[in-house]
Amino acid sequence: DAGVIQSPRHEVTEMGQEVTLRCKPISGHNSLFWYRQTMMRGLELLIYFNNNVPIDDSGMPEDRFSAKMPNASFSTLKIQPSEPRDSAVYFCASSRDSGSPLHFGNGTRLTVT
Amino acid sequence: GQQVMQIPQYQHVQEGEDFTTYCNSSTTLSNIQWYKQRPGGHPVFLIQLVKSGEVKKQKRLTFQFGEAKKNSSLHITATQTTDVGTYFCALSGWSARQLTFGSGTQLTVLP
Repeated sequence: DAGVIQSPRHEVTEMGQEVTLRCKPISGHNSLFWYRQTMMRGLELLIYFNNNVPIDDSGMPEDRFSAKMPNASFSTLKIQPSEPRDSAVYFCASSRDSGSPLHFGNGTRLTVT
Repeated sequence: GQQVMQIPQYQHVQEGEDFTTYCNSSTTLSNIQWYKQRPGGHPVFLIQLVKSGEVKKQKRLTFQFGEAKKNSSLHITATQTTDVGTYFCALSGWSARQLTFGSGTQLTVLP
């Protein structure tokens, strides 16, 4: 049973560039979450989807961040333009339904120089 | 909004010693989950507690949910080097379906 798959594993980019992070949730899971982890702020929920519909995006830092889930098997988190303070590990997680245990992907380590 | 406090932030123990981390919420919870994140890894689900006063065990790990459903603890008996990592509680309130993670307790086990 494949887990949550994220790509890329590492991304290094220059300030001002567009960054797209990708996530494939576990088949059959209808909730998908994007988290950001930093030493200073810990694990922060950015946005979550239920049945492909964004339910709560109050954690999205600002308009530079956007997330989509065009179908049940794919989601993207886009940062445009990127800034050095966006450097963090971004995790995607899915669950059978909202409230069920989360299954995390391996994360994308983003470095913006 | 829902607030969660997890203590301690760091804990260093000698192998064989016990370890406990505590999680406290400002509001009554519907359930609480615990996760472990190894260095360089991703959070992995350990357990979910739902009932008031519930106690669950997984080998050397004991999880407890407070009677008022506002706090929880994770206790490890006789730590081993494989227990190294950061332990997070994650709270689910009655109104919010998404989880709010605590700040985590980073456990170091010295051989």
